[in-house]
Amino acid sequence: DAGVTQSPTHLIKTRGQQVTLRCSPKSGHDTVSWYQQALGQGPQFIFQYYEEEERQRGNFPDRFSGHQFPNYSSELNVNALLLGDSALYLCASSWGALYQETQYFGPGTRLLVL
Amino acid sequence: GQNIDQPTEMTATEGAIVQINCTYQTSGFNGLFWYQQHAGEAPTFLSYNVLDGLEEKGRFSSFLSRSKGYSYLLLKELQMKDSASYLCAVRDQSNAGKSTFGDGTTLTVKP
Repeated sequence: DAGVTQSPTHLIKTRGQQVTLRCSPKSGHDTVSWYQQALGQGPQFIFQYYEEEERQRGNFPDRFSGHQFPNYSSELNVNALLLGDSALYLCASSWGALYQETQYFGPGTRLLVL
Repeated sequence: GQNIDQPTEMTATEGAIVQINCTYQTSGFNGLFWYQQHAGEAPTFLSYNVLDGLEEKGRFSSFLSRSKGYSYLLLKELQMKDSASYLCAVRDQSNAGKSTFGDGTTLTVKP
């Protein structure tokens, strides 16, 4: 049973560029949440996708956008990268029919913006 | 919104017991999670409390008091591999399952 997978594992970009990160949820899960974790801090909620729609969003600018596909996989897009976007980006999946379900994290994508 | 507080760092000795506290202020509550995160890795799920009381799972136990906005994670028979960051997270019922995380407690286990 495959867990949550993310790609790529590491990425280096320059300011102003755009980046797309990918996530495949754990088998049986239909909800994907994205988090940004800066060094020394806890994960910060970006948004959550369920049934191919953004269900909830955290305090992140419109430069951060996402998508969920019919197979429940998801993408996170960040436009006009800033130095402050350097962080570990985590994807977490759960079964979304009931909000009590536990979410499981993928290994993350470490993004460095130069 | 949510506000989560937990100590920044703790140190304990191998074989001992350590308690990591977490306090929260919320506008809604649908459960409290504890995660373990080793340096450079993703958080891994440890425990989930939605009702008051103690949940035990092997060497790890987690306690919740909703009226006090308080939880703790208890680690027994500490091992060197328990050195990690421990994250407390609260799920907000009014926000479609959004979880708010504390900044984590870095636990160092010494021989």
